[in-house]
Amino acid sequence: AQTVTQSQPEMSVQEAETVTLSCTYDTSESDYYLFWYKQPPSRQMILVIRQEAYKQQNATENRFSVNFQKAAKSFSLKISDSQLGDAAMYFCAYRSGGANNLFFGTGTRLTVIP
Amino acid sequence: NAGVTQTPKFQVLKTGQSMTLQCAQDMNHNSMYWYRQDPGMGLRLIYYSASEGTTDKGEVPNGYNVSRLNKREFSLRLESAAPSQTSVYFCASSDGGAFYEQFFGPGTRLTVL
Repeated sequence: AQTVTQSQPEMSVQEAETVTLSCTYDTSESDYYLFWYKQPPSRQMILVIRQEAYKQQNATENRFSVNFQKAAKSFSLKISDSQLGDAAMYFCAYRSGGANNLFFGTGTRLTVIP
Repeated sequence: NAGVTQTPKFQVLKTGQSMTLQCAQDMNHNSMYWYRQDPGMGLRLIYYSASEGTTDKGEVPNGYNVSRLNKREFSLRLESAAPSQTSVYFCASSDGGAFYEQFFGPGTRLTVL
């Protein structure tokens, strides 16, 4: 099974500041996809951003961007101009190119301080 | 367009009881999944169905059965519930694009006493 590691169980950030959440993964494959999901207190899993392994360019979605370091097997999420609504659990996930199921990390709980 | 729906939202069972969690999607997706989420563990795949008529085991299938009733519906059954099955259960479905992006239901919180 693939391994996805999120080494920060909890993080906090001041409103309007920037925070980076870490994720590393273990794989021997060259074709794979990476995702960040947000889970607010409502429990709903919401896709934040996604990245194909074969693309060098880091994905960006509004205030969310990733730093994808393929050689280091690292996929961190940067949240800029943090808002109170960003407070949630964030999960990193991996999907092999040859499969359609996801492997999740254990999550990072993000607190946004007003 | 409701996306992925799950019933019930909450359930309390006694050890040994059985129940079925229902999931339906209206996005015409081929693939559907069942995950469980435990504190500190992230989401783990129980079973999935790549297409109507097929099902496959995931990481933690023991104690569960599934049925892909049709393209829309994918149910998860606990035949004899155990306290270790206390968890939040999520159903998801995915499209056929390159990302196989998964869309999740709102979850079912199950407690087994």
